[in-house]
Amino acid sequence: GDSVTQMEGPVTLSEEAFLTINCTYTATGYPSLFWYVQYPGEGLQLLLKATKADDKGSNKGFEATYRKETTSFHLEKGSVQVSDSAVYFCALSNSGYALNFGKGTSLLVTP
Amino acid sequence: DGGITQSPKYLFRKEGQNVTLSCEQNLNHDAMYWYRQDPGQGLRLIYYSQIVNDFQKGDIAEGYSVSREKKESFPLTVTSAQKNPTAFYLCASSPYTGGTDTQYFGPGTRLTVL
Repeated sequence: GDSVTQMEGPVTLSEEAFLTINCTYTATGYPSLFWYVQYPGEGLQLLLKATKADDKGSNKGFEATYRKETTSFHLEKGSVQVSDSAVYFCALSNSGYALNFGKGTSLLVTP
Repeated sequence: DGGITQSPKYLFRKEGQNVTLSCEQNLNHDAMYWYRQDPGQGLRLIYYSQIVNDFQKGDIAEGYSVSREKKESFPLTVTSAQKNPTAFYLCASSPYTGGTDTQYFGPGTRLTVL
């Protein structure tokens, strides 16, 4: 079945450092891929999405490119801020009715 | 403002009791979902509904029940049959056009069994 694997955290970075959170997937067909962010005690917010190969999703300085040849959707940001501290979830949708989530990667950015 | 509301934010239950978590959306979305989140885990699908008066079991439906009598509402009941109900519960909705739609999440309800 479909699945998502993302790097385990926690990831600790200093402010203004470069961020990469790896995400790979297994799926048949042509899934849509998502990154969601969860701040402490809150629900999930959509960060970005890509619906076909080579699409790049971007939002708030975060980017991720849908790479079908490597089945990956890595999240990147050039310069993180303390306010980016959160848990990040990679997810895929391949059926129109449910999202398959990775286990989440906790990011802590220190001043 | 359009969005998804969940209530209560915190809920405490004694063993053997049923409790109902509320989820309401005013986004005019057709599809609604319930997920369970445990520490260090991803989200797992409990139930989903694509249309009023119809719903399907997800991966971990045992011990839970739902209803979908109105488009805007999708309450989840955690029954006494659920062996380990302490978790964070998230409701979501999506337009459901038959494709791979974005899901939008509510703020969640944290359930603790005493």
